[in-house]
Amino acid sequence: QQQVRQSPQSLTVWEGETAILNCSYEDSTFDYFPWYWQFPRESPALLIAIRPVSNKKEDGRFTIFFNKREKKLSLHITDSQPGDSATYFCAEQGTGSKLSFGKGAKLTVSP
Amino acid sequence: EAAVTQSPRNKVAVTGGKVTLSCNQTNNHNNMYWYRQDTGHGLRLIHYSYGAGSTEKGDIPDGYKASRPSQENFSLILELATPSQTSVYFCASGDWGGADTQYFGPGTRLLVL
Repeated sequence: QQQVRQSPQSLTVWEGETAILNCSYEDSTFDYFPWYWQFPRESPALLIAIRPVSNKKEDGRFTIFFNKREKKLSLHITDSQPGDSATYFCAEQGTGSKLSFGKGAKLTVSP
Repeated sequence: EAAVTQSPRNKVAVTGGKVTLSCNQTNNHNNMYWYRQDTGHGLRLIHYSYGAGSTEKGDIPDGYKASRPSQENFSLILELATPSQTSVYFCASGDWGGADTQYFGPGTRLLVL
């Protein structure tokens, strides 16, 4: 019962380009949407998060755009660097602090 | 810095055997979680806990039990391991506050033969 859907599953961009990762969800009651990233052979870690009261959250080169009406989010990575190559997970937090993760999107940034 | 440790880091088990995965956190977080990660499935929640003595079923609890004997420790138990439980298991801790950042341990690679 995947409630969080991510697209594309994989993406390759050139260094310096903007990478865009998409996420959609089903349940309107969720009120916290974090993105986690995971480097090869490492564990996931929080990258950036947004609450539905905002439609944009920015942290350096990473920006979340949130469209509550369409139940969609996107993560934009500007000036992509090879060190950004990782798997990115969109998640939603429901009741009791449970997180439901998407299946992940593998980003490769080529130099 | 959050500190979540897991043991063992790698485990080979036989079908039908009992496997216990352990997790320890030194963050004094109330909440702890067990996930498994498989290619094509992302991270799936198995069991979680709100504090010592409590365990809750996650999205895929079948075949797993959990135990939270103390604030610091949270175990995942496979009573009768099956090859389908071959996976990477992550433990995480977090604190309830409306925005629960979860801190993940390094993971345990389990192979069930």
